[in-house]
Amino acid sequence: ETGVTQTPRHLVMGMTNKKSLKCEQHLGHNAMYWYKQSAKKPLELMFVYSLEERVENNSVPSRFSPECPNSSHLFLHLHTLQPEDSALYLCASSPSRGPNTEAFFGQGTRLTVV
Amino acid sequence: QQQVKQSPQSLIVQKGGIPIINCAYENTAFDYFPWYQQFPGKGPALLIAIRPDVSEKKEGRFTISFNKSAKQFSLHIMDSQPGDSATYFCAASDNAGNMLTFGGGTRLMVKP
Repeated sequence: ETGVTQTPRHLVMGMTNKKSLKCEQHLGHNAMYWYKQSAKKPLELMFVYSLEERVENNSVPSRFSPECPNSSHLFLHLHTLQPEDSALYLCASSPSRGPNTEAFFGQGTRLTVV
Repeated sequence: QQQVKQSPQSLIVQKGGIPIINCAYENTAFDYFPWYQQFPGKGPALLIAIRPDVSEKKEGRFTISFNKSAKQFSLHIMDSQPGDSATYFCAASDNAGNMLTFGGGTRLMVKP
């Protein structure tokens, strides 16, 4: 166990649905991240939160909406997704957003959009 | 623009062989080079990391070789085992607090 827990592990949703992915870290870290992993782009950074403030948004479509209510929890709200959004969504945390810090990953949520 | 290029995309070796995975980077500000290992159904996990002040780092059967002038680094797995079968990602970051930039990954299979 890495100390980063993601739920659900698997999710199938229709294009008109609204769902949320949840990430929780028990490591006392101050930075949290969402990554998208697919065959086309193996590890694509989506969002970065540092001390609950969003510090990076890598041109992610607005149908993905992150939320960080506190330093231990991170959500990714999904609405009107497309089939090409099907992928493994990975949450990670690190002690800080500073340089040379190890990222601890959760096991991911396998999302299928039908 | 892909700042870290990783090769090969896939690799098959026999048990006991020494698979080598290579990465090349462009940003000379990078100064931290970790390797992550990912098993099916799991997230990536840090395997070993190196900084550019050394040319080689070894941890158990895993060795990173680093060539600063060529802007290349590689992972060697000595006496590879079937349990080493996984996807390996190289990455790089700089000391300005920018995020890790990952390579495209290498899927390694070690045959018994």
